[in-house]
Amino acid sequence: DGGITQSPKYLFRKEGQNVTLSCEQNLNHDAMYWYRQDPGQGLRLIYYSQIVNDFQKGDIAEGYSVSREKKESFPLTVTSAQKNPTAFYLCASGGTEAFFGQGTRLTVV
Amino acid sequence: AQSVAQPEDQVNVAEGNPLTVKCTYSVSGNPYLFWYVQYPNRGLQFLLKYITGDNLVKGSYGFEAEFNKSQTSFHLKKPSALVSDSALYFCAVRDMRAGNNRLAFGKGNQVVVIP
Repeated sequence: DGGITQSPKYLFRKEGQNVTLSCEQNLNHDAMYWYRQDPGQGLRLIYYSQIVNDFQKGDIAEGYSVSREKKESFPLTVTSAQKNPTAFYLCASGGTEAFFGQGTRLTVV
Repeated sequence: AQSVAQPEDQVNVAEGNPLTVKCTYSVSGNPYLFWYVQYPNRGLQFLLKYITGDNLVKGSYGFEAEFNKSQTSFHLKKPSALVSDSALYFCAVRDMRAGNNRLAFGKGNQVVVIP
């Protein structure tokens, strides 16, 4: 099946831990995106990548890091520097329009 | 930088009545405009897009949207709402300038269709 796969669906992080969210696509898209969704705030752009080995900060990049070593993969690391990481994280890829994965819900415990 | 405003937090409509969800945008160049729908704990599903051409675009599930350049608006419409249309709706914009893949979303509108 073609599409975008995010894993895991649910993730729990202890205070001070780094965690990595996976995003894989087989749609042959150059552009990939990470968004954070909080209730009442819509989608806020964390990072985006227009091509392999290149990425740009979005509006809320502090406390996050990404890599784009392969066209298919755009993992997001939530570092201990992110003070309020509990949120729903959405990955997307696209040409003209973006296609979304099913999301990862991260909770700090 | 591009941005989107969705002025209403929630839209309530009776089943069978027309549904309108409002969106205005701001870009430096010409816009690509999109509407997405989200059901609880799921990703966003693409509904429709405006790139160029006819100002009225038709999309999935009977939805349509009208591009109005003078008012910088791209309102989503459906002639007759269904209970199953209850969901969160997002408008998004991309600046058409070459090399700009940044996609900006509004905060979303919760649509509640009342049986």
